[in-house]
Amino acid sequence: QSALTQPASVSGSPGQSITISCTGTSSDIGGYNFVSWYQQHPGKVPKLMIYDVTKRPSGVSNRFSGSKSGNTASLTISGLQAEDEADYYCTSYTRISTWVFGGGTKVTVL
Amino acid sequence: QEQLVESGGGLVKPGGSLRLSCEASGFSFSDYYMTWIRQAPGKGLEWISYISSTGTVIYYGDSVKGRFAISRDNTRNSLYLQMNSLRAEDTGVYYCAKGPEGYCSRTGCYVASSWFDPWGRGTLVTVSS
Repeated sequence: QSALTQPASVSGSPGQSITISCTGTSSDIGGYNFVSWYQQHPGKVPKLMIYDVTKRPSGVSNRFSGSKSGNTASLTISGLQAEDEADYYCTSYTRISTWVFGGGTKVTVL
Repeated sequence: QEQLVESGGGLVKPGGSLRLSCEASGFSFSDYYMTWIRQAPGKGLEWISYISSTGTVIYYGDSVKGRFAISRDNTRNSLYLQMNSLRAEDTGVYYCAKGPEGYCSRTGCYVASSWFDPWGRGTLVTVSS
């Protein structure tokens, strides 16, 4: 199972919106609404930000939102803040009942 | 609050074995699927394996299939990962996580939601001679 494709880095200024893409195939992202996103600050444990494509766990800022179109899922961060600078990973369920992660995207707040 | 604590990591020679444990507290462990995820130094996350709430459904990633074995003891609120034939590329931090959400019926066990939450703090495995 090949890893999902994410851009290596995305940057934006405070207050701006950025979008991180996560591209898979019809055997994973395109076939199921089981996509989740994780935020990881350096040296810290990954934190769930979005699950089931669009759902936000309690406690996660509503500046974070998720979507999907075809084989590509996206995470949008609006009103970018310094604390959002971190690595972000997507993951998807696959047709062979396994899970696959993206390679990760480093978000830089300029 | 919900908590997961991994243990059992350490330094092992190539070809050796290790058994990782993950002790859960703060939730009804026997009701949930559980997952192992790892992260090589400076690299991204890699899904390793998950096990259904009853232990009847188990899946592995290609990189560990045939070498690693996941198991659980619901009486001890514990998840395990037996790692055999270890290689240098198995080096990394191993996290256990609650999830995904799943359910079992008379027709089988099925994933119902895509969350992994919470995660433990991880245990470091180093494979080196």
